[in-house]
Amino acid sequence: NAGVTQTPKFRVLKTGQSMTLLCAQDMNHEYMYWYRQDPGMGLRLIHYSVGEGTTAKGEVPDGYNVSRLKKQNFLLGLESAAPSQTSVYFCASSELAGGYNEQFFGPGTRLTVL
Amino acid sequence: QQPVQSPQAVILREGEDAVINCSSSKALYSVHWYRQKHGEAPVFLMILLKGGEQKGHEKISASFNEKKQQSSLYLTASQLSYSGTYFCGTEIGSGNTPLVFGKGTRLSVIA
Repeated sequence: NAGVTQTPKFRVLKTGQSMTLLCAQDMNHEYMYWYRQDPGMGLRLIHYSVGEGTTAKGEVPDGYNVSRLKKQNFLLGLESAAPSQTSVYFCASSELAGGYNEQFFGPGTRLTVL
Repeated sequence: QQPVQSPQAVILREGEDAVINCSSSKALYSVHWYRQKHGEAPVFLMILLKGGEQKGHEKISASFNEKKQQSSLYLTASQLSYSGTYFCGTEIGSGNTPLVFGKGTRLSVIA
């Protein structure tokens, strides 16, 4: 099992460019999450999905869009990147939300917006 | 709504003990603990549920005080491998809601 994988690992964008981050999981989990991690801020939830075809906003959704067309994949899009979106992005998945369901994290994508 | 972790950072010598606290202003359903080593992804350590159930790491213990809306992670006889940043994630209300993570506690264990 690969667990949770993320593509790409690193990316540098110019302000205004767009890009899509891909997250894939092979554990048949229902829930998937996108977080951003900035120094001293912890992990902040951007968007999440409770199943194929569903998405919901997290704490910091502005400037991002997501899609979950297949159960195993969760895409995070930046339509017009801004320097404030420079961060490390983590994808995670879990069988259900909270409770006894631990989250499994991908290795992260380090994004720099110039 | 973000839980508050304390201390922000701590330095230990091998073999010493540490306690990391996580407090919430809202009633908690569960508390999750994760450890993240530098440049890596967070890794699951413990889950504590309202009512007393727990699940997690054999060598690390934790408590959950529902009345005080807080959890503590106990690291005893620390090893160099314990170094990293520890995050608590809290689930409020009646459950089945996404976790909200604290800002983390940076733990450094030195020889």
